[in-house]
Amino acid sequence: QKEVEQNSGPLSVPEGAIASLNCTYSDRVSQSFFWYRQYSGKSPELIMSIYSNGDKEDGRFTAQLNKASQYVSLLIRDSQPSDSATYLCASRVGGKLIFGQGTELSVKP
Amino acid sequence: GAGVSQSPSNKVTEKGKDVELRCDPISGHTALYWYRQRLGQGLEFLIYFQGNSAPDKSGLPSDRFSAERTGESVSTLTIQRTQQEDSAVYLCASSSSGEEQYFGPGTRLTVT
Repeated sequence: QKEVEQNSGPLSVPEGAIASLNCTYSDRVSQSFFWYRQYSGKSPELIMSIYSNGDKEDGRFTAQLNKASQYVSLLIRDSQPSDSATYLCASRVGGKLIFGQGTELSVKP
Repeated sequence: GAGVSQSPSNKVTEKGKDVELRCDPISGHTALYWYRQRLGQGLEFLIYFQGNSAPDKSGLPSDRFSAERTGESVSTLTIQRTQQEDSAVYLCASSSSGEEQYFGPGTRLTVT
């Protein structure tokens, strides 16, 4: 069983809409959670971190964590074509990050 | 400030040869991590260094893989007797807190 699971997509949303990306994790020891954005051919770029239950907002991005349900999500408001990328969810177990396979997001103008 | 740097950016090698990949972390970051990303796949953890503690080598796929770090600076990942399945992008990350990790541009390794 994969430790971090994401829907591979592609997820397609129109420009200006809200994109909702979801992630589940299996290891209850997971302590911290991260969302990375990866453009094709580039390395992952950290966009959000979340450590406690609830919501965390940063600009157009909101991360949500529910440890009881072992569920993490990322909402992108007012989606732009430049948001088109693969979004990687990761959980920290000990010192290392365990990554999901990523969800490909396509924002159509 | 300067981010994580890696060299070379691309490496093509013949099967059976040894390769060395280099990572320069962000200055002052005590933790350094190596990951591998095969084409179309997620990132796989390989190894991490935290200060002067013994490295966590639990992700190294075989004894052909090894890594060293000099103090809190440069790290080198060595792959001996490369195989075609070693072809991937090798990513290095560093962290000041042990939480948020910042990635370098990666080294694309192709084994022919």
